[in-house]
Amino acid sequence: QVQLQESGPGLVKPSETLSLTCTVSGGSINNYYWSWIRQPPGEGLEWIGYIHYSGSTSYNPSLKSRVTISIDTSKNQFSLKLTSVTTADAAVYYCARVGLSCAGDCYWTFFDSWGQGALVTVPS
Amino acid sequence: QSALTQPRSVSGSPGQSVTISCTGTSNDVGGYNYVSWYQQHPGKAPKVMIYDVIKRPSGVPDRFSGSKSGNTASLTISGLQAEDEADYYCCSYRGSYSWVFGGGTKLTVL
Repeated sequence: QVQLQESGPGLVKPSETLSLTCTVSGGSINNYYWSWIRQPPGEGLEWIGYIHYSGSTSYNPSLKSRVTISIDTSKNQFSLKLTSVTTADAAVYYCARVGLSCAGDCYWTFFDSWGQGALVTVPS
Repeated sequence: QSALTQPRSVSGSPGQSVTISCTGTSNDVGGYNYVSWYQQHPGKAPKVMIYDVIKRPSGVPDRFSGSKSGNTASLTISGLQAEDEADYYCCSYRGSYSWVFGGGTKLTVL
């Protein structure tokens, strides 16, 4: 069973860049799509973006100008960079695998495995 | 991107059924049969309970079921149990390789 683990600094100063890495174990990072999702304290979930093992990406339009997701298949890792952070970016950041659903044709439609989450604090 | 609309809270007694709604638009919930539901206990990561509107992953009890009508999807939990008390989030594909979540619903088992 695949496992995901987020890692990175828990404190990022305003205007600096948030950097997190997700390490995938128990399975290959190849042949899947991988996502970042965040949850501000006491609030709901927000999809940040995804990356395919080939390197293709898609981002939430509300964050697109500040987000970069990259992948290192040799290390079974993918990463998130979010620039110019503010207190509004303080959240638990989850990495997740996009699940494949097949009924005749196959589509990537949901998030089937999640990391435990990494809390990132941005002091005011 | 506007989040999908969910009730802030619902409640029910053990053994009863509850339904959580998730309202979007024709650009997301109404336009695709790719609605999923996630259960989140405090301090834990979300867990998928329903995907593609009606499908249940292996290991999820059949007390959990999903449906959709127009721009509104629903999650129904029958035979409520104490361990079902959690936050529930809906999520929909909204085209252009993007997803949107609902604001979340807190389920209280009385």
